[in-house]
Amino acid sequence: DAGITQSPRHKVTETGTPVTLRCHQTENHRYMYWYRQDPGHGLRLIHYSYGVKDTDKGEVSDGYSVSRSKTEDFLLTLESATSSQTSVYFCAISAGGVNEQFFGPGTRLTVL
Amino acid sequence: SQQGEEDPQALSIQEGENATMNCSYKTSINNLQWYRQNSGRGLVHLILIRSNEREKHSGRLRVTLDTSKKSSSLLITASRAADTASYFCATEKNNNDMRFGAGTRLTVKP
Repeated sequence: DAGITQSPRHKVTETGTPVTLRCHQTENHRYMYWYRQDPGHGLRLIHYSYGVKDTDKGEVSDGYSVSRSKTEDFLLTLESATSSQTSVYFCAISAGGVNEQFFGPGTRLTVL
Repeated sequence: SQQGEEDPQALSIQEGENATMNCSYKTSINNLQWYRQNSGRGLVHLILIRSNEREKHSGRLRVTLDTSKKSSSLLITASRAADTASYFCATEKNNNDMRFGAGTRLTVKP
């Protein structure tokens, strides 16, 4: 999986609790992305990063925040989880420019 | 939205047959990419076609792009059971603004 790991791989949590998902890469790629995948919607971009401490919002950023303090790590935080955030979350990396994205294995999050 | 929309949503064929999946989008793009996803796994990049290209090949894959119709097709020739997966098109207008469709679920029966 192109040197990308995600943790945890599965998580069950309760509504209102904060949750942090971690993406770690060993490829030294500049760009990192967080997507969520839901049936009938494909993948939708939540946030992305174009360098350390440089992040921007994607298509569905409400309720999510991100941080990138090191090149290799990109954290996604659900400040107060809701049932609508039950989904599979994928991290991806890219060297930038016209380049393919490499995806991690995903994190399945269930919010009860 | 520049989100690609795949057609059909699901496709079932016999091993050895060809599989064709289509993708339509709404706005101008810089490039279009096709990805594959096996059940429970992350997406894997298959092929990228730039807006000034009309056709690309990679092994058993053939991708076409018609920017006048805002559409692309992915052809998998001589399909195998191992090709069973979901296939997604992704359109990119600007760097970091890549939009995925909902995918085509391909089943190849042995």
